[in-house]
Amino acid sequence: SQQGEEDPQALSIQEGENATMNCSYKTSINNLQWYRQNSGRGLVHLILIRSNEREKHSGRLRVTLDTSKKSSSLLITASRAADTASYFCATARDTGRRALTFGSGTRLQVQP
Amino acid sequence: DARVTQTPRHKVTEMGQEVTMRCQPILGHNTVFWYRQTMMQGLELLAYFRNRAPLDDSGMPKDRFSAEMPDATLATLKIQPSEPRDSAVYFCAGNAGGPLDEQYFGPGTRLTVT
Repeated sequence: SQQGEEDPQALSIQEGENATMNCSYKTSINNLQWYRQNSGRGLVHLILIRSNEREKHSGRLRVTLDTSKKSSSLLITASRAADTASYFCATARDTGRRALTFGSGTRLQVQP
Repeated sequence: DARVTQTPRHKVTEMGQEVTMRCQPILGHNTVFWYRQTMMQGLELLAYFRNRAPLDDSGMPKDRFSAEMPDATLATLKIQPSEPRDSAVYFCAGNAGGPLDEQYFGPGTRLTVT
């Protein structure tokens, strides 16, 4: 079963608006990562947040992590048409199999 | 501009045929991963290597799949014999750290088995 589940599955917004995607997971983690995938392309790493961090920023991206709720959110501010892509969270467990487990992704459509 | 390269980008083959996919990781990335992506299952880790040695292949069907790293610049994933259910996009990824660190993905090989 998936460790991380994104919500919503799909999101459509207008250019300039903010986009928020959520990820929930089941077991304790070492870190949580967000990746972007443009159609027909490989995944691109966006940001990594460690289990002892609560918030992290990178340009227009803001990631929060709540380990008590086992959830994370990715906020993209002032979205652009070029942000149209699928976004995946990936969890790195701190026990068990040493590997990233990817969620099913959120498809973001930014309308120009 | 360092990138992971994968060949071929697209492969259509008939059931029962052997398929070999190749990956060249970024120079210095000594941990290499193979993933499979489908609509139904999402992105699944098949296997990964560190310093060319297989560390985890628990996600790989052993009867028909095999993964190797003949040298530090080449990783291969072979399916023999291929089946229609193997149709997917296969990604190679790598990093200089380990399995819990950020990963750099290749563009993928889209495999269709008819």
